[in-house]
Amino acid sequence: EDKVVQSPLSLVVHEGDTVTLNCSYEVTNFRSLLWYKQEKKAPTFLFMLTSSGIEKKSGRLSSILDKKELFSILNITATQTGDSAIYLCAVVQGGKLIFGQGTELSVKP
Amino acid sequence: NAGVTQTPKFQVLKTGQSMTLQCAQDMNHNSMYWYRQDPGMGLRLIYYSASEGTTDKGEVPNGYNVSRLNKREFSLRLESAAPSQTSVYFCASSPRGMNTEAFFGQGTRLTVV
Repeated sequence: EDKVVQSPLSLVVHEGDTVTLNCSYEVTNFRSLLWYKQEKKAPTFLFMLTSSGIEKKSGRLSSILDKKELFSILNITATQTGDSAIYLCAVVQGGKLIFGQGTELSVKP
Repeated sequence: NAGVTQTPKFQVLKTGQSMTLQCAQDMNHNSMYWYRQDPGMGLRLIYYSASEGTTDKGEVPNGYNVSRLNKREFSLRLESAAPSQTSVYFCASSPRGMNTEAFFGQGTRLTVV
């Protein structure tokens, strides 16, 4: 059965901390992995990863994929309260997205 | 630029009632999706439509039906609502399958009592 597993499920940190969110997957016909950020409403796109070892960066956020070990990490450095959200990992498989459970990040002032 | 528009935003149903959730996208995307989101479970795919005229079951299709009315619109119908269908529903679209990012609507919060 195809599955995507995220850890931790929830995390509380203080402003300025660095966090690492994990996403592992077991999916047939893997095509790519996506990260989304979800605040109050709709998920918004962060990164798409297709190749192993190539880091994607956007400001304080970065992500990398390991297709041999079947996982990805999302790093957030110098966290801010505005980073508080649910972070969703999803894998493209057969023309559809399979999501993990999400990691709920709370950044305290 | 509207993107993906879902209606209604909120709905309360009684057990056994029926309703249709509407979704429309104005980005000329081929593929459209319906997901439900429950606490601690991420987003689970209900149905998807890879192109106009086709629909396929996702992970949790029981109790739902869909219609891809045209390229823009993809509706989700609950024929006889059950409390287990209380959830937040998201519609999404993408240009071609999931080769690129999917764009999400703002969600419909449905409560079945």
